Amino acid sequence: KQEVTQIPAALSVPEGENLVLNCSFTDSAIYNLQWFRQDPGKGLTSLLLIQSSQREQTSGRLNASLDKSSGRSTLYIAASQPGDSATYLCAVVAASWGGSEKLVFGKGTKLTVNP
Amino acid sequence: DTGVSQDPRHKITKRGQNVTFRCDPISEHNRLYWYRQTLGQGPEFLTYFQNEAQLEKSRLLSDRFSAERPKGSFSTLEIQRTEQGDSAMYLCASISSYNSPLHFGNGTRLTVT
Repeated sequence: KQEVTQIPAALSVPEGENLVLNCSFTDSAIYNLQWFRQDPGKGLTSLLLIQSSQREQTSGRLNASLDKSSGRSTLYIAASQPGDSATYLCAVVAASWGGSEKLVFGKGTKLTVNP
Repeated sequence: DTGVSQDPRHKITKRGQNVTFRCDPISEHNRLYWYRQTLGQGPEFLTYFQNEAQLEKSRLLSDRFSAERPKGSFSTLEIQRTEQGDSAMYLCASISSYNSPLHFGNGTRLTVT
């Protein structure tokens, strides 16, 4: 059974700092890995999707890496801003052709960026 | 692209009552998912539709839960005889094709008193 773990559970940093969020998964047979952002009381917003054949994806100040063989991904946020404060969730899709592509989520990392 | 829409945003009900939630996915998306999220946890998969066909259900979806997508457009999730353990955020999501990002709605927060 696939399990996804995110460390740390919470992180508080001063504005402007670069930071790294970690995600690990137990079964390396994945189709893709996705990072989401969730604001309090809201749904999830997709940030980055890394396909199993890719090593990293970048969007603006965000960079996500994937090491499938070791079951790890990182989300790097450069020059953090107070508006980046949210919970960041990592999720994987198991590799199964014709399957549902359901996501298995970690519990998230709650990020607070202090002005 | 008007996004995934869920209604209602909040629902408070008494134990034993039935509730129904609605999800309108992005119009061209043929795959629709329901997830449940409790406080401090990541979302957990409940069920999945491709067009009008319900193709997978989680063991979390007891016989008190039923989901439909009658014309392959909007979907409903009904919970019968609600219990306090059903209190959670119910999230709907849709996707256009394989290996694409999932688009989530803002969820329906259910509180069972």
